[in-house]
Amino acid sequence: RKEVEQDPGPFNVPEGATVAFNCTYSNSASQSFFWYRQDCRKEPKLLMSVYSSGNEDGRFTAQLNRASQYISLLIRDSKLSDSATYLCVADSSNTGKLIFGQGTTLQVKP
Amino acid sequence: GAVVSQHPSWVICKSGTSVKIECRSLDFQATTMFWYRQFPKQSLMLMATSNEGSKATYEQGVEKDKFLINHASLTLSTLTVTSAHPEDSSFYICSASGIAGVLDTQYFGPGTRLTVL
Repeated sequence: RKEVEQDPGPFNVPEGATVAFNCTYSNSASQSFFWYRQDCRKEPKLLMSVYSSGNEDGRFTAQLNRASQYISLLIRDSKLSDSATYLCVADSSNTGKLIFGQGTTLQVKP
Repeated sequence: GAVVSQHPSWVICKSGTSVKIECRSLDFQATTMFWYRQFPKQSLMLMATSNEGSKATYEQGVEKDKFLINHASLTLSTLTVTSAHPEDSSFYICSASGIAGVLDTQYFGPGTRLTVL
């Protein structure tokens, strides 16, 4: 079983749609969680950290459910520029190492 | 924000040659640098963790004699792929962390695309 699992997609949605990605992690000792965005042939860029209380940054909302060990990302009012691969990331028991999921590909269509 | 550079951005080499990739933190001191590899349509896989002035810690399955890592200063780490073969062709990405108070934030370099013929 992968330590961080995501549905690779692709998710094809029209502009303006709301789309949600889920991710599960297997290491119950993980403390820090993130969503990264990766454009084709580019490096990952931090989108947002994920907290138990949930956090929102503009059109993006991230949630963490420790009991079920899953993380979600909600994107509202999708833009064409949101098309990318979204990587779910968990730390490896506070070692400083990051464990990346395979990524979920989002394609926003006009 | 923190800036990490990598050089070269891409390299094509013949099988059997060695390739060195540099990772630099431009505006902060990186106590720890990480090296990842990403094959097409796959996730980033951590290869090794490098702390300044000490030997790198390699992940299981990564050959330390093939992937030589040096972290001689707080702003520079290098990865040398020795005797590269076509199966080593991949996207190599470094990241750096160590900004005071934000220990678990990693800032990624732009990556180096290696093609071994």
